Amino acid sequence: EDQVTQSPEALRLQEGESSSLNCSYTVSGLRGLFWYRQDPGKGPEFLFTLYSAGEEKEKERLKATLTKKESFLHITAPKPEDSATYLCAVQGSYGQNFVFGPGTRLSVLP
Amino acid sequence: GAVVSQHPSWVICKSGTSVKIECRSLDFQATTMFWYRQFPKQSLMLMATSNEGSKATYEQGVEKDKFLINHASLTLSTLTVTSAHPEDSSFYICSVSGTVVQKLFFGSGTQLSVL
Repeated sequence: EDQVTQSPEALRLQEGESSSLNCSYTVSGLRGLFWYRQDPGKGPEFLFTLYSAGEEKEKERLKATLTKKESFLHITAPKPEDSATYLCAVQGSYGQNFVFGPGTRLSVLP
Repeated sequence: GAVVSQHPSWVICKSGTSVKIECRSLDFQATTMFWYRQFPKQSLMLMATSNEGSKATYEQGVEKDKFLINHASLTLSTLTVTSAHPEDSSFYICSVSGTVVQKLFFGSGTQLSVL
């Protein structure tokens, strides 16, 4: 069974204080690992897709990396507007379903 | 990315009534749509997968007679919560996935409150 865990559950940072969020996964044949951002009361917003170990992608202050067992979302010099819940999901090769992790609630204080 | 429109954004209804939620893919042929449910501070729980022109596949523990899903076209899927009860109160989100682009695009969600 495909599984996704995320840590920490919640993270408080001061503005400018860089950190990383972790996503650990087990999947039967990884088709893709996805990162999403979700603001309260809204649907998730797509950030990145990673397909194979060693792959990295960047967007503004965010950088996502992937190994065979986990992915990291690095946030550099965060701003208050980066506050949100960050969700990680995987899609295995043997099904079309996406399995989501519980998310990390990030708060960036000014 | 694909634009997914979900309506209504919020709905309040009395216990025993039915509520319909619409999910439209505005610029994307959505062969597959997913319906999720999310409780406060929890992650997305897949309820069902619908493929255009065929019956939806429900996840274990989801009552198909209570949560009716119709995916009649490549741009529209509806979720009807029949005879809603307070325990059905939740945030419902739809998403679409195409055949070429496998990533999910989400609607804005519907907050359902059953009194």
